[in-house]
Amino acid sequence: DAGITQSPRHKVTETGTPVTLRCHQTENHRYMYWYRQDPGHGLRLIHYSYGVKDTDKGEVSDGYSVSRSKTEDFLLTLESATSSQTSVYFCAIKYEETQYFGPGTRLLVL
Amino acid sequence: SQKIEQNSEALNIQEGKTATLTCNYTNYSPAYLQWYRQDPGRGPVFLLLIRENEKEKRKERLKVTFDTTLKQSLFHITASQPADSATYLCALEPNSGYSTLTFGKGTMLLVSP
Repeated sequence: DAGITQSPRHKVTETGTPVTLRCHQTENHRYMYWYRQDPGHGLRLIHYSYGVKDTDKGEVSDGYSVSRSKTEDFLLTLESATSSQTSVYFCAIKYEETQYFGPGTRLLVL
Repeated sequence: SQKIEQNSEALNIQEGKTATLTCNYTNYSPAYLQWYRQDPGRGPVFLLLIRENEKEKRKERLKVTFDTTLKQSLFHITASQPADSATYLCALEPNSGYSTLTFGKGTMLLVSP
């Protein structure tokens, strides 16, 4: 599983509240990614990081921010959660040319 | 715009047959293409990578072909088993030069005993 953990694994929250999801890796990989996966849309990139404090936007970054203050942790924050952000969120790391995914976080915004 | 297309309809086959999944792309010039497997409730798992200068790659019962002229990759599972039932995703790196992948929406494979 490439030493990737995500927390929490499940979360229910209310519209308008901030939410932070954490991705933790144990192997000092440079690149880390946040995706969301929804029926009919597949896996879409939200943000990614190519080093400590180095991040960039993906395809669906609106409403999300990220931070990476140390190599092993990549945080995804929903500033003010909306029902459209109900989804399954996956974190991934890059090793050589491939990506290895965490177990996912299932988020429900009511 | 760049697009990756996989058959959205599930592929149903009988155990022992060869499953063939298709990935078509437009407006990419990929250096390589990747295939992933995803089981329900789990993250995708890397299976195979094929480079633009490779026509075919094999790993156990898996075979991938890559035709950059047709802009298509075929993913084959020979002697399929019910345990092969899953969703299979293809992925390409966009031409932007950044180290990201764009995934197709995936094709579900159902192998019946």
